Amino acid sequence: AQSVTQLGSHVSVSEGALVLLRCNYSSSVPPYLFWYVQYPNQGLQLLLKYTTGATLVKGINGFEAEFKKSETSFHLTKPSAHMSDAAEYFCAVSGASNTGKLIFGQGTTLQVKP
Amino acid sequence: DTAVSQTPKYLVTQMGNDKSIKCEQNLGHDTMYWYKQDSKKFLKIMFSYNNKELIINETVPNRFSPKSPDKAHLNLHINSLELGDSAVYFCASSQDGQGVARYTFGSGTRLTVV
Repeated sequence: AQSVTQLGSHVSVSEGALVLLRCNYSSSVPPYLFWYVQYPNQGLQLLLKYTTGATLVKGINGFEAEFKKSETSFHLTKPSAHMSDAAEYFCAVSGASNTGKLIFGQGTTLQVKP
Repeated sequence: DTAVSQTPKYLVTQMGNDKSIKCEQNLGHDTMYWYKQDSKKFLKIMFSYNNKELIINETVPNRFSPKSPDKAHLNLHINSLELGDSAVYFCASSQDGQGVARYTFGSGTRLTVV
Protein backbone atom coordinates (compact mmCIF):
# COMPACT_ATOMS: atom_id res chain seq x y z
CA ALA A 1 0.00 0.00 0.00
CA GLN A 2 1.09 3.55 -0.64
CA SER A 3 0.16 6.88 0.88
CA VAL A 4 1.31 10.50 0.88
CA THR A 5 1.14 13.12 3.60
CA GLN A 6 1.73 16.77 2.91
CA LEU A 7 2.50 18.68 6.06
CA GLY A 8 0.74 22.01 6.11
CA SER A 9 -2.33 22.64 4.02
CA HIS A 10 -1.38 26.33 3.70
CA VAL A 11 2.09 27.83 3.43
CA SER A 12 2.67 31.56 3.21
CA VAL A 13 5.99 33.13 2.23
CA SER A 14 7.18 36.56 1.22
CA GLU A 15 8.32 37.21 -2.30
CA GLY A 16 12.02 36.36 -2.52
CA ALA A 17 11.93 34.00 0.44
CA LEU A 18 12.67 30.30 0.46
CA VAL A 19 9.81 27.99 -0.41
CA LEU A 20 9.66 24.65 1.42
CA LEU A 21 6.72 22.32 0.90
CA ARG A 22 6.87 19.09 2.85
CA CYS A 23 5.91 15.65 1.61
CA ASN A 24 6.28 12.31 3.35
CA TYR A 25 5.33 9.04 1.76
CA SER A 26 4.71 5.45 2.67
CA SER A 27 5.37 2.70 0.16
CA SER A 28 5.91 -1.04 0.30
CA VAL A 29 7.67 -0.94 -3.07
CA PRO A 30 10.35 1.39 -4.41
CA PRO A 31 8.47 4.63 -4.93
CA TYR A 32 8.25 6.94 -7.84
CA LEU A 33 7.57 10.43 -6.53
CA PHE A 34 6.07 13.46 -8.19
CA TRP A 35 5.25 17.08 -7.53
CA TYR A 36 2.44 18.73 -9.45
CA VAL A 37 1.27 22.32 -9.48
CA GLN A 38 -2.30 23.43 -10.09
CA TYR A 39 -3.08 27.06 -10.85
CA PRO A 40 -6.64 28.26 -10.20
CA ASN A 41 -9.18 26.62 -12.48
CA GLN A 42 -6.50 24.80 -14.41
CA GLY A 43 -5.23 21.27 -14.75
CA LEU A 44 -2.19 19.62 -13.21
CA GLN A 45 1.29 20.46 -14.41
CA LEU A 46 4.25 18.27 -13.58
CA LEU A 47 6.97 20.15 -11.72
CA LEU A 48 9.40 17.28 -11.28
CA LYS A 49 9.64 13.58 -10.60
CA TYR A 50 11.94 11.04 -9.03
CA THR A 51 12.14 7.51 -10.36
CA THR A 52 15.65 6.17 -9.91
CA GLY A 53 19.18 7.54 -9.85
CA ALA A 54 20.12 10.95 -8.52
CA THR A 55 18.14 11.78 -5.42
CA LEU A 56 18.20 15.53 -6.00
CA VAL A 57 15.77 16.28 -8.77
CA LYS A 58 15.50 19.59 -10.56
CA GLY A 59 12.27 20.66 -12.14
CA ILE A 60 10.69 23.55 -13.93
CA ASN A 61 10.38 27.12 -12.65
CA GLY A 62 13.40 26.76 -10.36
CA PHE A 63 11.91 24.06 -8.13
CA GLU A 64 13.81 21.06 -6.87
CA ALA A 65 13.17 18.16 -4.53
CA GLU A 66 15.32 15.64 -2.75
CA PHE A 67 14.38 12.02 -2.24
CA LYS A 68 15.44 10.88 1.22
CA LYS A 69 14.70 7.21 1.66
CA SER A 70 15.74 7.12 5.32
CA GLU A 71 13.26 9.89 6.10
CA THR A 72 10.64 8.75 3.57
CA SER A 73 10.48 12.33 2.40
CA PHE A 74 10.38 14.23 -0.88
CA HIS A 75 10.25 17.89 0.08
CA LEU A 76 9.91 20.58 -2.57
CA THR A 77 12.05 23.71 -2.42
CA LYS A 78 12.68 26.88 -4.32
CA PRO A 79 15.32 29.40 -3.22
CA SER A 80 13.33 32.53 -4.03
CA ALA A 81 9.56 32.72 -4.32
CA HIS A 82 7.85 34.68 -7.07
CA MET A 83 4.32 35.98 -6.99
CA SER A 84 3.57 33.65 -9.90
CA ASP A 85 4.34 30.63 -7.70
CA ALA A 86 1.09 31.08 -5.79
CA ALA A 87 -0.87 27.91 -6.51
CA GLU A 88 -1.86 24.51 -5.15
CA TYR A 89 0.91 21.93 -4.95
CA PHE A 90 0.41 18.19 -4.87
CA CYS A 91 2.87 15.48 -3.98
CA ALA A 92 2.13 12.04 -5.43
CA VAL A 93 3.56 8.55 -5.27
CA SER A 94 3.43 5.67 -7.67
CA GLY A 95 5.29 2.44 -8.10
CA ALA A 96 5.99 -0.39 -10.48
CA SER A 97 3.25 -2.55 -9.02
CA ASN A 98 0.53 0.07 -9.26
CA THR A 99 -0.04 0.04 -12.99
CA GLY A 100 0.63 3.74 -13.15
CA LYS A 101 -1.86 4.76 -10.46
CA LEU A 102 -0.89 8.00 -8.71
CA ILE A 103 -1.67 8.41 -5.03
CA PHE A 104 -1.91 12.09 -4.17
CA GLY A 105 -1.38 14.01 -0.99
CA GLN A 106 -4.05 16.41 0.14
CA GLY A 107 -2.32 19.40 -1.38
CA THR A 108 -0.63 22.53 -0.06
CA THR A 109 -1.77 26.01 -0.97
CA LEU A 110 1.19 28.32 -1.43
CA GLN A 111 0.55 31.99 -0.83
CA VAL A 112 3.23 34.50 -1.84
CA LYS A 113 3.05 37.91 -0.21
CA PRO A 114 4.56 40.99 -1.82
CA ASP B 1 -2.43 20.58 -30.52
CA THR B 2 -3.86 19.79 -27.10
CA ALA B 3 -2.37 16.52 -25.84
CA VAL B 4 -5.25 15.45 -23.59
CA SER B 5 -8.53 17.17 -24.25
CA GLN B 6 -11.71 16.89 -22.24
CA THR B 7 -15.17 18.03 -23.14
CA PRO B 8 -17.08 19.77 -21.82
CA LYS B 9 -15.01 22.04 -19.61
CA TYR B 10 -18.03 22.96 -17.51
CA LEU B 11 -21.18 20.93 -16.94
CA VAL B 12 -24.13 22.01 -14.84
CA THR B 13 -26.98 19.55 -14.54
CA GLN B 14 -29.84 18.54 -12.30
CA MET B 15 -29.94 15.63 -9.90
CA GLY B 16 -31.08 12.43 -11.49
CA ASN B 17 -29.80 13.25 -14.96
CA ASP B 18 -27.36 11.13 -16.95
CA LYS B 19 -24.30 12.83 -18.41
CA SER B 20 -21.07 11.97 -20.19
CA ILE B 21 -17.62 13.48 -20.22
CA LYS B 22 -15.35 12.79 -23.14
CA CYS B 23 -11.59 12.50 -23.19
CA GLU B 24 -9.20 12.15 -26.09
CA GLN B 25 -5.42 11.99 -26.20
CA ASN B 26 -3.22 12.40 -29.25
CA LEU B 27 0.02 11.30 -27.60
CA GLY B 28 -0.14 7.67 -28.61
CA HIS B 29 -0.20 6.63 -24.97
CA ASP B 30 -1.44 3.17 -24.06
CA THR B 31 -3.06 3.97 -20.74
CA MET B 32 -5.75 6.46 -19.80
CA TYR B 33 -7.20 7.41 -16.44
CA TRP B 34 -10.01 9.25 -14.74
CA TYR B 35 -9.34 11.14 -11.51
CA LYS B 36 -11.82 12.97 -9.32
CA GLN B 37 -10.94 16.14 -7.42
CA ASP B 38 -13.45 16.90 -4.71
CA SER B 39 -14.39 20.22 -3.15
CA LYS B 40 -11.43 19.98 -0.77
CA LYS B 41 -9.15 19.57 -3.80
CA PHE B 42 -8.35 15.97 -2.90
CA LEU B 43 -7.44 13.94 -6.00
CA LYS B 44 -8.24 10.27 -6.28
CA ILE B 45 -8.08 7.82 -9.12
CA MET B 46 -11.33 6.31 -10.34
CA PHE B 47 -10.45 4.15 -13.35
CA SER B 48 -7.69 3.30 -15.73
CA TYR B 49 -7.71 1.58 -19.07
CA ASN B 50 -4.78 0.07 -20.92
CA ASN B 51 -5.40 -0.50 -24.61
CA LYS B 52 -9.16 -0.52 -24.07
CA GLU B 53 -8.89 -2.98 -21.18
CA LEU B 54 -10.01 -1.98 -17.68
CA ILE B 55 -7.01 -2.10 -15.35
CA ILE B 56 -8.04 -0.11 -12.28
CA ASN B 57 -11.54 0.20 -10.91
CA GLU B 58 -11.50 1.87 -7.53
CA THR B 59 -14.49 1.76 -5.22
CA VAL B 60 -16.61 3.93 -7.43
CA PRO B 61 -20.43 3.68 -7.49
CA ASN B 62 -21.87 1.63 -10.32
CA ARG B 63 -23.49 4.80 -11.62
CA PHE B 64 -20.08 5.65 -13.05
CA SER B 65 -19.20 3.70 -16.17
CA PRO B 66 -16.07 4.31 -18.22
CA LYS B 67 -16.00 3.40 -21.88
CA SER B 68 -12.93 3.15 -24.08
CA PRO B 69 -13.79 2.70 -27.76
CA ASP B 70 -10.10 2.82 -28.67
CA LYS B 71 -6.87 3.55 -26.86
CA ALA B 72 -7.05 7.26 -27.70
CA HIS B 73 -10.43 7.77 -26.02
CA LEU B 74 -11.78 7.22 -22.54
CA ASN B 75 -15.23 8.53 -21.81
CA LEU B 76 -16.99 8.69 -18.47
CA HIS B 77 -20.72 8.18 -18.24
CA ILE B 78 -22.57 8.98 -15.03
CA ASN B 79 -26.11 7.82 -14.39
CA SER B 80 -28.57 9.29 -11.91
CA LEU B 81 -26.36 12.17 -10.89
CA GLU B 82 -26.24 13.10 -7.21
CA LEU B 83 -25.19 16.28 -5.44
CA GLY B 84 -22.07 14.53 -4.17
CA ASP B 85 -20.90 13.93 -7.71
CA SER B 86 -20.10 17.62 -8.00
CA ALA B 87 -16.35 17.78 -8.52
CA VAL B 88 -13.67 18.37 -11.09
CA TYR B 89 -12.93 15.29 -13.17
CA PHE B 90 -9.52 14.96 -14.74
CA CYS B 91 -8.59 12.68 -17.56
CA ALA B 92 -4.95 11.66 -17.93
CA SER B 93 -2.83 9.43 -20.09
CA SER B 94 0.55 7.82 -19.69
CA GLN B 95 2.99 6.14 -21.95
CA ASP B 96 3.46 3.20 -19.64
CA GLY B 97 0.84 1.46 -17.59
CA GLN B 98 3.48 0.35 -15.18
CA GLY B 99 6.78 1.62 -13.98
CA VAL B 100 7.67 5.13 -14.90
CA ALA B 101 4.46 7.06 -15.21
CA ARG B 102 4.72 9.81 -17.78
CA TYR B 103 1.46 11.41 -17.11
CA THR B 104 -0.28 14.11 -19.06
CA PHE B 105 -3.42 15.54 -17.52
CA GLY B 106 -6.31 17.18 -19.25
CA SER B 107 -7.54 20.56 -18.06
CA GLY B 108 -10.49 19.08 -16.20
CA THR B 109 -14.28 19.09 -16.37
CA ARG B 110 -16.05 20.95 -13.59
CA LEU B 111 -19.31 19.11 -12.91
CA THR B 112 -21.93 20.86 -10.82
CA VAL B 113 -25.04 18.96 -9.84
CA VAL B 114 -27.94 21.12 -8.64
